[in-house]
Amino acid sequence: AQSVTQPDIHITVSEGASLELRCNYSYGATPYLFWYVQSPGQGLQLLLKYFSGDTLVQGIKGFEAEFKRSQSSFNLRKPSVHWSDAAEYFCAVGEEGYQKVTFGTGTKLQVIP
Amino acid sequence: DGGITQSPKYLFRKEGQNVTLSCEQNLNHDAMYWYRQDPGQGLRLIYYSQIVNDFQKGDIAEGYSVSREKKESFPLTVTSAQKNPTAFYLCASSINRDYTFGSGTRLTVV
Repeated sequence: AQSVTQPDIHITVSEGASLELRCNYSYGATPYLFWYVQSPGQGLQLLLKYFSGDTLVQGIKGFEAEFKRSQSSFNLRKPSVHWSDAAEYFCAVGEEGYQKVTFGTGTKLQVIP
Repeated sequence: DGGITQSPKYLFRKEGQNVTLSCEQNLNHDAMYWYRQDPGQGLRLIYYSQIVNDFQKGDIAEGYSVSREKKESFPLTVTSAQKNPTAFYLCASSINRDYTFGSGTRLTVV
């Protein structure tokens, strides 16, 4: 069965600093990978996704993620964080033939001035 | 604009009462899902439906029930058998693994 691990429960970065959120997945074949963002009390919004092709994926709000098969990772990055990026971020994995995906436990991002 | 509507946003119920959470979508998506979210536990799948009149249990279905009589609607009933129903509930729909989420219902049982 597929699974997702987000090892960092909480991360604090300074505004303007770079950001990397870690995600590791467990799945035998080529996975479908996603990053979502959630503001407090709201639903989830898709930032980016990887299905196939170029392993560096660009998303909305200046985010990018890189699929590394050898490390079973799909880390999310942003070169310069803005205060409005403070939210909770979820990595998710899906598999061929199934619509449903499995979500990680989330990483809460705090941005300090 | 197309989207998913969850109602109500906040819901309070007494212990032992059943309560139904509404989820409606106008995206023409076949698949719909219910997730429960608790702090530090991510999203846990309660039920999902791939087509009308069919649904499957997710990872934490005990104490919950659903129906899918129409493509647009996927209501979730939290029954009195659910031991700890206070949580944030998210509904979603998808096509080609592109998920759209509602804005959630926060259920508090007192």
